[in-house]
Amino acid sequence: QKEVEQNSGPLSVPEGAIASLNCTYSDRGSQSFFWYRQYSGKSPELIMSIYSNGDKEDGRFTAQLNKASQYVSLLIRDSQPSDSATYLCAVGTGNQFYFGTGTSLTVIP
Amino acid sequence: DVKVTQSSRYLVKRTGEKVFLECVQDMDHENMFWYRQDPGLGLRLIYFSYDVKMKEKGDIPEGYSVSREKKERFSLILESASTNQTSMYLCASSLSNLLPGDFGSGTRLTVV
Repeated sequence: QKEVEQNSGPLSVPEGAIASLNCTYSDRGSQSFFWYRQYSGKSPELIMSIYSNGDKEDGRFTAQLNKASQYVSLLIRDSQPSDSATYLCAVGTGNQFYFGTGTSLTVIP
Repeated sequence: DVKVTQSSRYLVKRTGEKVFLECVQDMDHENMFWYRQDPGLGLRLIYFSYDVKMKEKGDIPEGYSVSREKKERFSLILESASTNQTSMYLCASSLSNLLPGDFGSGTRLTVV
């Protein structure tokens, strides 16, 4: 059974702070890693993808991957109230993708 | 932008009915997926398809079947709907089999 684990939260941060979201996965053979954002009542939206160890930055978002520790994280700098959503971690293994249950983030104005 | 369209936003069906959920994408993507999303369980893959007339089982295919007669359309079929199939169903498509895909707006199915 492939497992992707996320802390369900809720995680609350003040506006302007850094939000740190974490995800661990069980299959060492996993090759691709993604972060989706899902607003309440909406479908998931891809915000970051990462395929190799290290950091990948896109605007206020940074994805970090450590394959040795089987750990992927998402940092959101200068958090805004509009970042309040559930963040889903997805891991690709072979030709399938496995999603975590998501972490709920609230950014407090 | 990719547009993935699911035919119904909300559906209410009776136990035992045959239910069809339709998904159409307009970007000529090879790969299409059906997921269901339940509180506490996250997104789970039901079926996926990498080509016309091709289908592969995901993690929870029992009670479901799929059809892909045309590249742009991927249908999910509940042969005999049961109450435990009440869920949000999400269709996705992607250009590459390295991507989980872009999602449609979802169909919230209630089986009574």
